[in-house]
Amino acid sequence: GAGVSQSPRYKVTKRGQDVALRCDPISGHVSLYWYRQALGQGPEFLTYFNYEAQQDKSGLPNDRFSAERPEGSISTLTIQRTEQRDSAMYRCASSFSNYNSPLHFGNGTRLTVT
Amino acid sequence: SQELEQSPQSLIVQEGKNLTINCTSSKTLYGLYWYKQKYGEGLIFLMMLQKGGEEKSHEKITAKLDEKKQQSSLHITASQPSHAGIYLCGADSNAGNQFYFGTGTSLTVIP
Repeated sequence: GAGVSQSPRYKVTKRGQDVALRCDPISGHVSLYWYRQALGQGPEFLTYFNYEAQQDKSGLPNDRFSAERPEGSISTLTIQRTEQRDSAMYRCASSFSNYNSPLHFGNGTRLTVT
Repeated sequence: SQELEQSPQSLIVQEGKNLTINCTSSKTLYGLYWYKQKYGEGLIFLMMLQKGGEEKSHEKITAKLDEKKQQSSLHITASQPSHAGIYLCGADSNAGNQFYFGTGTSLTVIP
């Protein structure tokens, strides 16, 4: 596609449920990043892939959060046993390479845990 | 980690005024990027700076990277309401893994 696509755009879930957020990067982009952004703050790094390899997951808050990119294209961020503090905008970005290459962002998924 | 501090945190200017936003790093920057985010929307890439002393312009926005590659500034000339939003600087880590963002600057332009 022309840009980074994220789905769903909005997700409301009850505490304790699992959610899966999808990111479809720009075709041909090697690197894929997940960020979480609270209102009024800058994006907070979660994890990053080069092709299908997860290069860095140091930003994942705890073991309820996981991400995969099995074929080096589409990525899924999964949050298990959601909690209210997980509510945020989750943003995905892709770039042509992992260095000296701007990130292109999707419109994000707004997650609300009730 | 590589911290990026932005100043000011917020800025309110009258339409037509010039303004500058700064981004300072505790470490040498290997690539410095400026993004704009309109309230409630996605991040839009503005410019990328790589070399010490580099300067780039797009329409009324000019970004500079200092010679030491630890500070960047974004200057808007004759601001307009369309310039309003949150400006974020971002940088590659020296390990080439994570991509960090600054703390953000919220700009309001009063017509």
